[in-house]
Amino acid sequence: QKEVEQNSGPLSVPEGAIASLNCTYSDRGSQSFFWYRQYSGKSPELIMFIYSNGDKEDGRFTAQLNKASQYVSLLIRDSQPSDSATYLCAVNELTGNQFYFGTGTSLTVIP
Amino acid sequence: KAGVTQTPRYLIKTRGQQVTLSCSPISGHRSVSWYQQTPGQGLQFLFEYFSETQRNKGNFPGRFSGRQFSNSRSEMNVSTLELGDSALYLCASSSGQGDSPLHFGNGTRLTVT
Repeated sequence: QKEVEQNSGPLSVPEGAIASLNCTYSDRGSQSFFWYRQYSGKSPELIMFIYSNGDKEDGRFTAQLNKASQYVSLLIRDSQPSDSATYLCAVNELTGNQFYFGTGTSLTVIP
Repeated sequence: KAGVTQTPRYLIKTRGQQVTLSCSPISGHRSVSWYQQTPGQGLQFLFEYFSETQRNKGNFPGRFSGRQFSNSRSEMNVSTLELGDSALYLCASSSGQGDSPLHFGNGTRLTVT
């Protein structure tokens, strides 16, 4: 059983702080990693994806991947109240195009 | 470029009935995946279609079925509805290559009474 695990939270951070969201996965064959944001009552929207070890930055968001530790994280700098949402980690293995989702981490940014 | 379109947005059905949900993927995308989302279970994978063939399947009973047409549009059918089928059903499309992300539609909210 391939698993993707996230802390369910809730994670609360003050406005302007860095929010750190973590995800671990069980399948060493996983090749692609994605972060989605889901507002309450809405569908998931893609924030970032990362394929190689290291950091990838996009605006206030940084994804970090460590395949040896089977760990992927998302950092949100200068957190805003509009960042309050559930963040889903997804992992894909190249063979079969099968995506595996974590249960999500609920983030609240306090003004 | 238009996004993923799901219809209808909301459905209310009675136990024992059947329902069909529709999904139009992003133009050029050949893969369509279906997910069920409930508050307690998160995103549960139903199945994925690629070029009209079911390529992957989750652990759902046979009451849940789907198909994909030659234009990549997909339908999902649930027969003999149960109260526990009440959920948000999400469709997502992608190019179908392993490194391409899923793009989700707005979902269909199904309520079974």
